[in-house]
Amino acid sequence: AQSVSQHNHHVILSEAASLELGCNYSYGGTVNLFWYVQYPGQHLQLLLKYFSGDPLVKGIKGFEAEFIKSKFSFNLRKPSVQWSDTAEYFCAVNARGGGFKTIFGAGTRLFVKA
Amino acid sequence: KAGVTQTPRYLIKTRGQQVTLSCSPISGHRSVSWYQQTPGQGLQFLFEYFSETQRNKGNFPGRFSGRQFSNSRSEMNVSTLELGDSALYLCASSLGLAESTDTQYFGPGTRLTVL
Repeated sequence: AQSVSQHNHHVILSEAASLELGCNYSYGGTVNLFWYVQYPGQHLQLLLKYFSGDPLVKGIKGFEAEFIKSKFSFNLRKPSVQWSDTAEYFCAVNARGGGFKTIFGAGTRLFVKA
Repeated sequence: KAGVTQTPRYLIKTRGQQVTLSCSPISGHRSVSWYQQTPGQGLQFLFEYFSETQRNKGNFPGRFSGRQFSNSRSEMNVSTLELGDSALYLCASSLGLAESTDTQYFGPGTRLTVL
């Protein structure tokens, strides 16, 4: 069965600090990988996604993620966080060609201190 | 382009009752997925409908059901409500590409409280 594990449930950073959120998934076939973000009071929205090509993908607001197939990982990074990055971040996976049976990780709540 | 809309936004029911939630996808989107979000379990996949057919199903009991209409609007129904069904129910729509690589757009959710 597919599963997604996010390493940190809560992260507190100061502005300008670097961010890395870990994500590991368990699935034997070809997958599509996603990071979603939920800002306070807003809808869940896509940050970035990977399905093929360059394993380093860039998303909105300066975020990027690296797919490492051998480690089943898809970690999210941002070189310098801002107070406005305070949100909950979800890693997600679905099977290529399997429709949208998307499995989400438990989420990481990021709080950025101004 | 209008986003995904869900109605109602808030709902309070009592145990044993049933409830129907509605989702209108973005125009042109043919895939609608439903998720349950709770503090303890996070986001859990309920089911996905594509062109009026259930394409995928999560691990929820049969009390949870859904359907999709010819205009891609979708409804989900929960019968015989239990306290544990209290949650935020999210709907997401997408084009429904064969490779599942397209972006899912989420609605604001329906907050269901079961007393």
